[in-house]
Amino acid sequence: EDQVTQSPEALRLQEGESSSLNCSYTVSGLRGLFWYRQDPGKGPEFLFTLYSAGEEKEKERLKATLTKKESFLHITAPKPEDSATYLCAGLRSNDYKLSFGAGTTVTVRA
Amino acid sequence: DVKVTQSSRYLVKRTGEKVFLECVQDMDHENMFWYRQDPGLGLRLIYFSYDVKMKEKGDIPEGYSVSREKKERFSLILESASTNQTSMYLCASSSFAQGGNEQFFGPGTRLTVL
Repeated sequence: EDQVTQSPEALRLQEGESSSLNCSYTVSGLRGLFWYRQDPGKGPEFLFTLYSAGEEKEKERLKATLTKKESFLHITAPKPEDSATYLCAGLRSNDYKLSFGAGTTVTVRA
Repeated sequence: DVKVTQSSRYLVKRTGEKVFLECVQDMDHENMFWYRQDPGLGLRLIYFSYDVKMKEKGDIPEGYSVSREKKERFSLILESASTNQTSMYLCASSSFAQGGNEQFFGPGTRLTVL
């Protein structure tokens, strides 16, 4: 059975304190690994897609990396506006369905 | 700009009522999805559709049905709402033909069943 596990569940950071979020996955025939950002009461907003081990993508203070078993979302020198829930999801190649993790809620204090 | 809209942001219904949640996308995407999101459980797929008039069951289809009469519109139907269907409902769309696999989400409908 496909499984996507995110850790930690919650992360409290001081502004400027860099950290990493983990997403470990067992998804049959993984076609891609996706990261989304979700603000309270809103739908998820697409951030990155990673397709192969070793791939990295960056956007402002966020960098996503992928290995054969897990993905990391690194937040460098975070600001309060980076506070959100970050979701990762694996896309299966046989039916193109996404399996989501439960998310990591990041709170950045000024 | 990519846009997925949902008919209501908040909805309150009574047990046993028939509930319709509407989703419209303006990106000419062929794929559309309905999820529900509950604390600690993440997003779970209810139904999806790869084309007009096509529908496939997701992981938790019980108590739900869908309709896709037009490419841009995907409706989720709760035939007889129950309290355990209180949740945040999210619609998404994607396109293989347009080269990307990412799903784009609407703002969500928070449904409360009393």
